[in-house]
Amino acid sequence: DIVMTQTPLSLSVTPGQPASISCKSSQSLLHSDGKTYLYWYLQKPGQSPQLLIYEVSSRFSGVPDRFSGSGSGTDFTLKISRVEAEDVGVYYCMQGIHLPITFGQGTRLEIK
Amino acid sequence: EVQLVQSGAEVKKPGESLKISCKGSGYSFTSYWIGWVRQMPGKGLEWMGIIYPGDSDTRYSPSFQGQVTISADKSISTAYLQWSSLKASDTAMYYCARRNHDYGDAFDIWGQGTMVTVSS
Repeated sequence: DIVMTQTPLSLSVTPGQPASISCKSSQSLLHSDGKTYLYWYLQKPGQSPQLLIYEVSSRFSGVPDRFSGSGSGTDFTLKISRVEAEDVGVYYCMQGIHLPITFGQGTRLEIK
Repeated sequence: EVQLVQSGAEVKKPGESLKISCKGSGYSFTSYWIGWVRQMPGKGLEWMGIIYPGDSDTRYSPSFQGQVTISADKSISTAYLQWSSLKASDTAMYYCARRNHDYGDAFDIWGQGTMVTVSS
């Protein structure tokens, strides 16, 4: 199984300040089709997970442009340029290149 | 509107059987994989398995193979997750989600979740 490792596991950010979450995979997520099957999700308190980023850096419909994804191979990053109160929750990275699909442990974002 | 609507919360005793559902609407149900994800209380997300309702092709995580059964009835656009004999450790929130090839096979639409509580 591909192991997804997120750091940090929690972070506390002042509104308007940036935030960054790292996700490392135990194997490359680059497929022979040229796509990299790495996604980011946010689970807000009491809600279902919601898709933020797909294929490393593409924002899903309706996701604010303060969210951005980057990386390649086995190292990936989610950045929030200016954190807002509505961004609180747990962020998960997920790989979809190989079954079983696996998630990172989650990173809890709180507002200072 | 594209949505997945899951069945309501369940409270069961150890050893009982259970089948929960996930009904898709607003899109061609037979054309997208549906996955199931477990979230134990206070814990992270775990992928359980996935089914293609068009032909019922099903794949399981090794962690859940033999522990649950995933099925689908395409005539009513509904996917299912079932247990034959529940354990206390099955207590969790269960989510279904649509896998969308247009978004790199991401799970783009999620159900609201079904809370399963197993207690004697």
